[in-house]
Amino acid sequence: GAVVSQHPSWVICKSGTSVKIECRSLDFQATTMFWYRQFPKQSLMLMATSNEGSKATYEQGVEKDKFLINHASLTLSTLTVTSAHPEDSSFYICSARDRTGKEEKLFFGSGTQLSVL
Amino acid sequence: QQPVQSPQAVILREGEDAVINCSSSKALYSVHWYRQKHGEAPVFLMILLKGGEQKGHEKISASFNEKKQQSSLYLTASQLSYSGTYFCGSTGTSYGKLTFGQGTILTVHP
Repeated sequence: GAVVSQHPSWVICKSGTSVKIECRSLDFQATTMFWYRQFPKQSLMLMATSNEGSKATYEQGVEKDKFLINHASLTLSTLTVTSAHPEDSSFYICSARDRTGKEEKLFFGSGTQLSVL
Repeated sequence: QQPVQSPQAVILREGEDAVINCSSSKALYSVHWYRQKHGEAPVFLMILLKGGEQKGHEKISASFNEKKQQSSLYLTASQLSYSGTYFCGSTGTSYGKLTFGQGTILTVHP
């Protein structure tokens, strides 16, 4: 089956620094990827839809200048948390579809646990 | 629009059955079921696309009602490994964004 690789798995950073998270589709091309955030004991909340070659579509309440998304190729999307603060500490997870395989199913990365000190 | 799950939590003894429900006020294009263990990514269980559809195997199965507004996940003869948080996700269109319900915490005791 299709594989989505997410890196890093865990990151600890100081308040005010920026953190980049990568999401790669390893064996298929993903024109669209989705970024989710999950706080402890809560659901996965969709942050934005990442579109290859164009601007990301952000969900209501998600600051686009805070969470920069770049989808420069058909296999890579990146999420940069700019000027991270402790309240940004969360589990971030990406997902993608293999549309060439006509899959409605989403394939998820393994997630990134961000801790901001 | 976020689908609504019930119950919020279930506690079972090994071998017991459970049903988790997922509903929406609008007709859905698809329903996806996932199980997540603490600190891990969600694991795909199944997807339902057609009204009236039922799928899965005898131990874990799911249904999608005719109006495509309600889905249920059936866990039969539960095992300890079934413990985790179960999420339903829904899309409104083909290849649309997946929005998750609030989750159901399932705990299976020996």
